[in-house]
Amino acid sequence: AQSVTQLGSHVSVSEGALVLLRCNYSSSVPPYLFWYVQYPNQGLQLLLKYTSAATLVKGINGFEAEFKKSETSFHLTKPSAHMSDAAEYFCAVSAGHWGGSQGNLIFGKGTKLSVKP
Amino acid sequence: DGGITQSPKYLFRKEGQNVTLSCEQNLNHDAMYWYRQDPGQGLRLIYYSQIVNDFQKGDIAEGYSVSREKKESFPLTVTSAQKNPTAFYLCASSLAGDRETQYFGPGTRLLVL
Repeated sequence: AQSVTQLGSHVSVSEGALVLLRCNYSSSVPPYLFWYVQYPNQGLQLLLKYTSAATLVKGINGFEAEFKKSETSFHLTKPSAHMSDAAEYFCAVSAGHWGGSQGNLIFGKGTKLSVKP
Repeated sequence: DGGITQSPKYLFRKEGQNVTLSCEQNLNHDAMYWYRQDPGQGLRLIYYSQIVNDFQKGDIAEGYSVSREKKESFPLTVTSAQKNPTAFYLCASSLAGDRETQYFGPGTRLLVL
């Protein structure tokens, strides 16, 4: 079975500061991991995904995440926050081709990012 | 432009009424999904379909029904048995060979009168 924990339901940073959103996962098989972003009253947009290739994954809008098996983590970072980054971010895990979930994603509860001018 | 459309954007349901949410995609994706989003709860899977005329229950299927008569369409009906239907509903789709990478529609917000 898979599960995801996002630490911090709300994170606030100043414009230009480092963004760090935390995600820890639990999985009985090698996981596939994802970060999605949601702007108010909109659907989710895929930021980046890890599917057992390079452990450092680069995504859109300057975001990246590093898969650390020893820490069961997949934290999302961006060196310099922009006002337009204010949104809700969701981490998700899937059993991928290993499990019987047939691709079903398990989502964390989300972290709202606020960016102060 | 390829994508996923959901309609309506807002939907109001009266007590005891069934309502249907539309989801259409022109991405030629085989798999489609319905999620429910509540504040602070993340997304929870209601139903999914990997092929036409076949679908499976997700984690919270009670009070909902779906059909998949066409590859492009996956409507969700919120029945009167769903006692707490107020939520944001998201439809998603994926390729058969990459089911984990899902593309989402803009969502429908369902409110109870």
